[in-house]
Amino acid sequence: GAGVSQSPSNKVTEKGKDVELRCDPISGHTALYWYRQRLGQGLEFLIYFQGNSAPDKSGLPSDRFSAERTGESVSTLTIQRTQQEDSAVYLCASSLAHGYNEQFFGPGTRLTVL
Amino acid sequence: DAKTTQPNSMESNEEEPVHLPCNHSTISGTDYIHWYRQLPSQGPEYVIHGLTSNVNNRMASLAIAEDRKSSTLILHRATLRDAAVYYCILRALNAGGTSYGKLTFGQGTILTVHP
Repeated sequence: GAGVSQSPSNKVTEKGKDVELRCDPISGHTALYWYRQRLGQGLEFLIYFQGNSAPDKSGLPSDRFSAERTGESVSTLTIQRTQQEDSAVYLCASSLAHGYNEQFFGPGTRLTVL
Repeated sequence: DAKTTQPNSMESNEEEPVHLPCNHSTISGTDYIHWYRQLPSQGPEYVIHGLTSNVNNRMASLAIAEDRKSSTLILHRATLRDAAVYYCILRALNAGGTSYGKLTFGQGTILTVHP
């Protein structure tokens, strides 16, 4: 069956450019999460959506980061004026509802900022 | 949030059992214990979770200490495919807890399986 998909799988950009990362959750999953994983590190929570609302944005590192979700489906994470420290794998996960036991993760988008 | 402590790395031989420990001495009564694993170049995948009683599923078993201050993930017969980083994570049972819903990952245990 279809799992969580993310695009692009790899993104190389120059410092100062904006990037958009996309996540397609499992159909019917109302909760969607974004995490970031720097090289050799564990995952850091960024933001979660319940439906199209984002009750918890506490993990977004700066105001250069924003995210939206539409139609209780696809979500985009936007990073403006990228910096080298933004280089990481950005992972998206979905679950049936917030707090539900199992989160299903996508393969991630590897972002490299030169 | 309550914290978990895991060894940085462990090694096993193929087809032998593996016991992955996790300490969570500050766990609260409403925290679930979750385990996820991350295979190389993939997103994490759910393994198992429990509250107080030991749990079994097709992937693994979870043994929880009586005082809930530690737990052990048991892979009964390790395969090469089990080589991954294993994360022990506490999640609040009730909405309103800061660890409700979102997953807080530590460094995990890197499991190496030798043929």
